[in-house]
Amino acid sequence: DSGVTQTPKHLITATGQRVTLRCSPRSGDLSVYWYQQSLDQGLQFLIHYYNGEERAKGNILERFSAQQFPDLHSELNLSSLELGDSALYFCASSVDSLGGGGREQFFGPGTRLTVL
Amino acid sequence: GQNIDQPTEMTATEGAIVQINCTYQTSGFNGLFWYQQHAGEAPTFLSYNVLDGLEEKGRFSSFLSRSKGYSYLLLKELQMKDSASYLCAVPNQAGTALIFGKGTTLSVSS
Repeated sequence: DSGVTQTPKHLITATGQRVTLRCSPRSGDLSVYWYQQSLDQGLQFLIHYYNGEERAKGNILERFSAQQFPDLHSELNLSSLELGDSALYFCASSVDSLGGGGREQFFGPGTRLTVL
Repeated sequence: GQNIDQPTEMTATEGAIVQINCTYQTSGFNGLFWYQQHAGEAPTFLSYNVLDGLEEKGRFSSFLSRSKGYSYLLLKELQMKDSASYLCAVPNQAGTALIFGKGTTLSVSS
């Protein structure tokens, strides 16, 4: 158990809908990262928040947005869902940013999103 | 930008030794990570290298050559439970994200 929690574990929805994925980082971790993992693309970085502020954006679609709240939990909002959005979505946390410190990331169990 | 290459699949037998290679191209270098991921589960941290050389941790060792942009993960005394995907990753230049390779799926047979 990494100490990172994600809800829900599974989510099945229809095209065009909107969903919210939730992540609670390990106690004391200020950074939250979101990743998307599909069979053909591997683990793709989406977005990074540090202590409530957006730090970096990766391959995140404009239909997707995220935020980190004062209690440091984070939500990833996916809207106008398409079939291709079906994937595993992982949240990870670390004490601080990665640069130069070798800070490992601790991954949550993931949310499996199925868009029908 | 960052680019990472790993073999897609490897197979080995129980008790054997396997080496999983990773080559990377990065603007700026802030270390290299190896993660293990069992199917449908979360990636878990295995190792971090920032200096050249071999880091040993039990049955697993990781090697880095910064001048060659090359790393490998060495798994000894393979067990069935080592069947998993092994992901090589480097931080981006700003240190704000991890960029992962597509992973090497290792299958261990008896």
